[in-house]
Amino acid sequence: KAGVTQTPRYLIKTRGQQVTLSCSPISGHRSVSWYQQTPGQGLQFLFEYFSETQRNKGNFPGRFSGRQFSNSRSEMNVSTLELGDSALYLCASSFPRDSYNEQFFGPGTRLTVL
Amino acid sequence: EDKVVQSPLSLVVHEGDTVTLNCSYEVTNFRSLLWYKQEKKAPTFLFMLTSSGIEKKSGRLSSILDKKELFSILNITATQTGDSAVYLCAVERYKIRGGADGLTFGKGTHLIIQP
Repeated sequence: KAGVTQTPRYLIKTRGQQVTLSCSPISGHRSVSWYQQTPGQGLQFLFEYFSETQRNKGNFPGRFSGRQFSNSRSEMNVSTLELGDSALYLCASSFPRDSYNEQFFGPGTRLTVL
Repeated sequence: EDKVVQSPLSLVVHEGDTVTLNCSYEVTNFRSLLWYKQEKKAPTFLFMLTSSGIEKKSGRLSSILDKKELFSILNITATQTGDSAVYLCAVERYKIRGGADGLTFGKGTHLIIQP
């Protein structure tokens, strides 16, 4: 079974731009969660999608948004990028998402904002 | 605000040593505590603990939860260089309307095993 894939793996943007990151879950998985990882704050939960609906949301500003498609693939978007948005963005998938012990992480997208 | 604190933040030991990593938490509506290992990019799942006092074991790794004192430890015996990684602790809580909320992670313990 193929693992969770994320594209692109690396991205460089400038302040004020917007960015879209993509996550393809393991086949059959319907829940996708997104996390931001920085050296200062560690791993922080952004949001979770299940069956195309946002089911949980962390404490991030509205510039961070996401969506999920009918094939369970998910995208997250960050608008009006700030320097502090530089981070590793990880997505994780599971089926069904009743508890997190079956959550599998992708390799992440490294976003650098200049 | 939910809080997960891991200690130490970093640790350097020699191969063959035993290490104990700590995780304390303050979370409302606690559901479970999870341990992950992160080597390069993607964290990989190690253990999930929900009940106090029951040890989970996998090879040289073991973990236990104390729900009264709100902490967990992860033990690694006979350490090997391949155990070098960041070990993350995360807490899951119940949502008021049912189901589980997003995970709250600690900042991790960076473990280095020297040959």
